[in-house]
Order: sequence, then structure tokens, then C-alpha cells
Amino acid sequence: DVKVTQSSRYLVKRTGEKVFLECVQDMDHENMFWYRQDPGLGLRLIYFSYDVKMKEKGDIPEGYSVSREKKERFSLILESASTNQTSMYLCASSLPRGEVSNEQFFGPGTRLTVL
Amino acid sequence: GESVGLHLPTLSVQEGDNSIINCAYSNSASDYFIWYKQESGKGPQFIIDIRSNMDKRQGQRVTVLLNKTVKHLSLQIAATQPGDSAVYFCAETRGYGNKLVFGAGTILRVKS
Repeated sequence: DVKVTQSSRYLVKRTGEKVFLECVQDMDHENMFWYRQDPGLGLRLIYFSYDVKMKEKGDIPEGYSVSREKKERFSLILESASTNQTSMYLCASSLPRGEVSNEQFFGPGTRLTVL
Repeated sequence: GESVGLHLPTLSVQEGDNSIINCAYSNSASDYFIWYKQESGKGPQFIIDIRSNMDKRQGQRVTVLLNKTVKHLSLQIAATQPGDSAVYFCAETRGYGNKLVFGAGTILRVKS
């Protein structure tokens, strides 16, 4: 089974702190994604990566950066956390777009609260 | 029946009945669609997918229907069970890579 793990289930930080959210997948997937999930808005893509050291902005990249130094690990960084970044953060991984399936496998999520 | 809640539409069904969850998509260029189920406190889980060259696909107790003419996707769950209670998201792929664009979700509540 594909397993996507996230470093924390719950996190509480203060405004202005630098925050690191870590995601690890064990299926050798090329693609990895970071989403945030807010009530009534569904999942919104922050950043994604299709290879080591490669990254592309999603729909809402402002206030975030990412790092992919190894294939299995994709980190989301909040350079200076703000209260409007309080949310559920979900990481996902997938194979490259292909003929079989474009399924993304999700981690359990990190609920971040910024005070 | 369906009702619009504070944030998400909610579908309430009796255990054993069939459920139909609907989704409208906006981009006629989308060529792949997927349904996810999200239970409380968990990440989304894959249910079923369909490509745009198909109009129907069946899985175990679930069927996805795609109507490209009106850009509409539906998920049918047969003999709904209490364990089916969750939020259901449709998603579409467009463009290069494997980016999914998600709908806002529908809450399914199963009454015993």
C-alpha cells in the first residue's frame, strides 16, 4: 500500500514564526503536492513538484515556499506564519500523468493553528 | 433530500437506499475525473475515476457517470451504509502534469 506520512497531526504556532511541514511518501512517486483545505473551499493547491529540486506554483502560493531535496520528501515552509494560514494542510503524491491513473494518494493532514 | 448547509451541500439518505452525489465542472478541456471520500480526521481516499472518453464506469457498489455535454459528473453509491458517511469531492485534471482541481465537496449523512 502507498503510504504518505506527514510529520505532525496538530501544530500550534505564533504569528511571525517560521513553520516547516514535512511529507514523506514510500512509493517512489515522482509527483508530490501540497494543498490547504478550508471549510466550503475544498482543497486548493499551494505548490507541487514533479521531480527532485523541481517545483511549480499552484493556485495559492503566496506566503509559502517548498523544498524537494529528495524524491520521497516534500516540505512546505511558511516563512512568517500569519493567522490566515490557520488551516488543514494535506500532502499527496502520484505517478506522472499517464494512461493508467492520475490518482493522488493523500496523507492524514496537519491541522495548523496560528495564534 | 439535498440541502445547502452553512458551507457544503448535504445529502441525507436512509441506510440501504441508493445515493447520488452530483458535481458540475467548468472546463470542457478536462479529460480525467476522480471521486474522493474524506472521513473526519483523515485525508481524502480514492473511490473511482473516469476518463473523458467514457461515460460510465463501475466499481464495487459505486458508479460514476460523466455527461460531457452539460459538464456534469455524478457518483452513485448502491445500498448506502453508515460507513459511507463522509465528505465526497470530485476533481478534474486539466493541463500538463497531474494537477487536480477539486470541487467544494458534498456531505453524505447516512441515517440508520
